[in-house]
Amino acid sequence: GAGVSQSPSNKVTEKGKDVELRCDPISGHTALYWYRQSLGQGLEFLIYFQGNSAPDKSGLPSDRFSAERTGGSVSTLTIQRTQQEDSAVYLCASSFLAGTQYFGPGTRLTVL
Amino acid sequence: QQPVQSPQAVILREGEDAVINCSSSKALYSVHWYRQKHGEAPVFLMILLKGGEQKGHDKISASFNEKKQQSSLYLTASQLSYSGTYFCGTEFGSSNTGKLIFGQGTTLQVKP
Repeated sequence: GAGVSQSPSNKVTEKGKDVELRCDPISGHTALYWYRQSLGQGLEFLIYFQGNSAPDKSGLPSDRFSAERTGGSVSTLTIQRTQQEDSAVYLCASSFLAGTQYFGPGTRLTVL
Repeated sequence: QQPVQSPQAVILREGEDAVINCSSSKALYSVHWYRQKHGEAPVFLMILLKGGEQKGHDKISASFNEKKQQSSLYLTASQLSYSGTYFCGTEFGSSNTGKLIFGQGTTLQVKP
């Protein structure tokens, strides 16, 4: 596609449920990044994948959060046993090698 | 290790100038500037690499002071379209890894 796409655009879930958020990076981009943006806040780094290297998971806030990237392309961010404090916009970005990051539109997650 | 942006918010009249600062306590490899409009994804403005370079993009320019570990974004003759939240993303260390840690953002409002 022309840009980074994310799905769903909005997700409402109940506390304790698991959710999966998807990111389709720009074709040919080697790196993929996940960020979290709480209301009125900055961009909080979660995890990034670079080629076939082991992902940098240093920003994941707890072991309820995990992410994988299949075939060096699509990525899924999974949040298990969601909590209300997980409510935020989850942004994905991709880049070629370590260059300019291009962001997707985000997934707005609301945990009731 | 999150960079500190200042000011947190600024209100301008069309045609006025503004400066947004981004400071780090750790050695920086690069600084990336993004602008985010309400409800939209962040959009890339420019990258500055260590070495004190300065870049320009229309009436928006930036500098990187390696000694001070600080970058400044200059908006001259501001336009209504400049309104939004500006984020600096910092890359630490001595090599280009792509991993960015973003500041909390500076909200800029340009009024007619």
